[in-house]
Amino acid sequence: AQSVTQLGSHVSVSEGALVLLRCNYSSSVPPYLFWYVQYPNQGLQLLLKYTTGATLVKGINGFEAEFKKSETSFHLTKPSAHMSDAAEYFCAVISPGGKLIFGQGTELSVKP
Amino acid sequence: DTEVTQTPKHLVMGMTNKKSLKCEQHMGHRAMYWYKQKAKKPPELMFVYSYEKLSINESVPSRFSPECPNSSLLNLHLHALQPEDSALYLCASSQVGADTQYFGPGTRLTVL
Repeated sequence: AQSVTQLGSHVSVSEGALVLLRCNYSSSVPPYLFWYVQYPNQGLQLLLKYTTGATLVKGINGFEAEFKKSETSFHLTKPSAHMSDAAEYFCAVISPGGKLIFGQGTELSVKP
Repeated sequence: DTEVTQTPKHLVMGMTNKKSLKCEQHMGHRAMYWYKQKAKKPPELMFVYSYEKLSINESVPSRFSPECPNSSLLNLHLHALQPEDSALYLCASSQVGADTQYFGPGTRLTVL
């Protein structure tokens, strides 16, 4: 069975600092992995996804994530945080039946 | 175009009311989903339609009744809801199978 663990329910960074949001997964099959962002009172927006191929995945808004099979991780990074990055971030893995399994989410705060 | 639209944006209803939520996509996706999301929590899957047929019902109470009139539309009929049903209701669509899900902006439902 698939599962996702996001380390840290809340992360706070200063504007311009590195953003690192952690995600570990468990999967009995090669995983398809996703990061979604949710701004207040909005739906989920796809940031990036990993299916197969290159393990470093680039997404929108300057975010990227690296799939590390040996560590069962898919951490999300951005070199320089912007105030507009403040939001809730969800890591997810998809089951063979097509069900999205979400982590508990990480709230990112950006301090000026 | 990766847009999923949802109407209404906000809905307030009494426990004896009947209302409907609507979702629409024009991406040619043949799988559509309803999720319920409480504050500070990840979305919880409610229903999945695949090729306009209900394929997954996550043990949702019968006061929620989904309908898929055609491949582009998904409705959620609401009747005799409880205050604890107040939440953000999200619609998503994808190709059938383990594929990327695209979310709508959600309907904020308040049950009085």
